[in-house]
Amino acid sequence: LAKTTQPISMDSYEGQEVNITCSHNNIATNDYITWYQQFPSQGPRFIIQGYKTKVTNEVASLFIPADRKSSTLSLPRVSLSDTAVYYCLGASTGGGNKLTFGTGTQLKVEL
Amino acid sequence: NAGVMQNPRHLVRRRGQEARLRCSPMKGHSHVYWYRQLPEEGLKFMVYLQKENIIDESGMPKERFSAEFPKEGPSILRIQQVVRGDSAAYFCASSQETGLQETQYFGPGTRLLVL
Repeated sequence: LAKTTQPISMDSYEGQEVNITCSHNNIATNDYITWYQQFPSQGPRFIIQGYKTKVTNEVASLFIPADRKSSTLSLPRVSLSDTAVYYCLGASTGGGNKLTFGTGTQLKVEL
Repeated sequence: NAGVMQNPRHLVRRRGQEARLRCSPMKGHSHVYWYRQLPEEGLKFMVYLQKENIIDESGMPKERFSAEFPKEGPSILRIQQVVRGDSAAYFCASSQETGLQETQYFGPGTRLLVL
């Protein structure tokens, strides 16, 4: 599984776009990039997953360049409720994949 | 469409007692994973099970910890003779049986406190 590196913390204000970049230099050919969000005292919540280029859903966008050595999670117009820890993981396709969580990025959104 | 359910949400045990944590996967999911999270840390994989089979227990401590996922009923993570260092949040996740991009969906966790 790919080892990932992401900033420990980020601060933002309501209404701004937040971009969290994750480095995964040793990503394997069959690894997908997956992002989870975790609020205090809750389990991680799946946000988005991609292999390369751009993926967008109702919550976020994920940008993965051609070399796939990094990825950027983009949260448009954040609100206070987006304050959480965001984890970037490399996850292999197929069954039985154990996820490896780092310490994540603590995003704090203020008024 | 109920998500992954875990109970109890909070569990207090004294040193030496047994802790039993339950996890019911999402409907249609036959893969279950257990993770442990210590304060200020990310989740650490413990064990992966399919119905009646342990597939990968490489993250499970060799002693006192066991897991099962019977044909009927929830998955159980059992910790015997608990010690203070077992205090943590234990999360269960489930995924579908087949397919690429096998997303794991997490439950709310069980917070174990050992006195």
